[in-house]
Amino acid sequence: GDSVTQMEGPVTLSEEAFLTINCTYTATGYPSLFWYVQYPGEGLQLLLKATKADDKGSNKGFEATYRKETTSFHLEKGSVQVSDSAVYFCAVYGGATNKLIFGTGTLLAVQP
Amino acid sequence: EAQVTQNPRYLITVTGKKLTVTCSQNMNHEYMSWYRQDPGLGLRQIYYSMNVEVTDKGDVPEGYKVSRKEKRNFPLILESPSPNQTSLYFCATRIDRSVSYEQYFGPGTRLTVT
Repeated sequence: GDSVTQMEGPVTLSEEAFLTINCTYTATGYPSLFWYVQYPGEGLQLLLKATKADDKGSNKGFEATYRKETTSFHLEKGSVQVSDSAVYFCAVYGGATNKLIFGTGTLLAVQP
Repeated sequence: EAQVTQNPRYLITVTGKKLTVTCSQNMNHEYMSWYRQDPGLGLRQIYYSMNVEVTDKGDVPEGYKVSRKEKRNFPLILESPSPNQTSLYFCATRIDRSVSYEQYFGPGTRLTVT
């Protein structure tokens, strides 16, 4: 079945450092891919998405490119801020299962 | 404002005492779903509903019930809660005919069963 493997955390960075959180997926067909962010004490918010191969999703300085050849959707940001501290979830929606499959989440802590 | 609301936000209860967590949405979305979030396991789907009176099991349905009598509401029922149901619960909705199938989440309900 569909699955998502996500880089384990926690990831601790200094402010203005470069961020990469790896995500790979297994799904049949042409799934949609998502990154969700969960700030402390809050629910999940959609950060960005991509619906077809080579699409680049972007929001708030974060980017991720749908790479079908490597089945990856890595999250990147060029310069993180303390306010980016949160848990980040990669997710895949495969039409065959009709549900959103989440990775285990990666905790990001940004220090001033 | 488009939103998904859950109540209560926090609940501490004892084993065996029936409880209901409510979920309501004002976006007229057809699809609604419940997830539980546990450390190291991410989010796992409990139940989902494609429309009124249509519900189906997710990956971890044991010990839970749901109902969908109205489009806007999708309550989660624990008939006899046990300590292993201590978790953070999220309700989510989706426009069923969305091209991208993105979901909108409620703020979460933290449940502790002693």
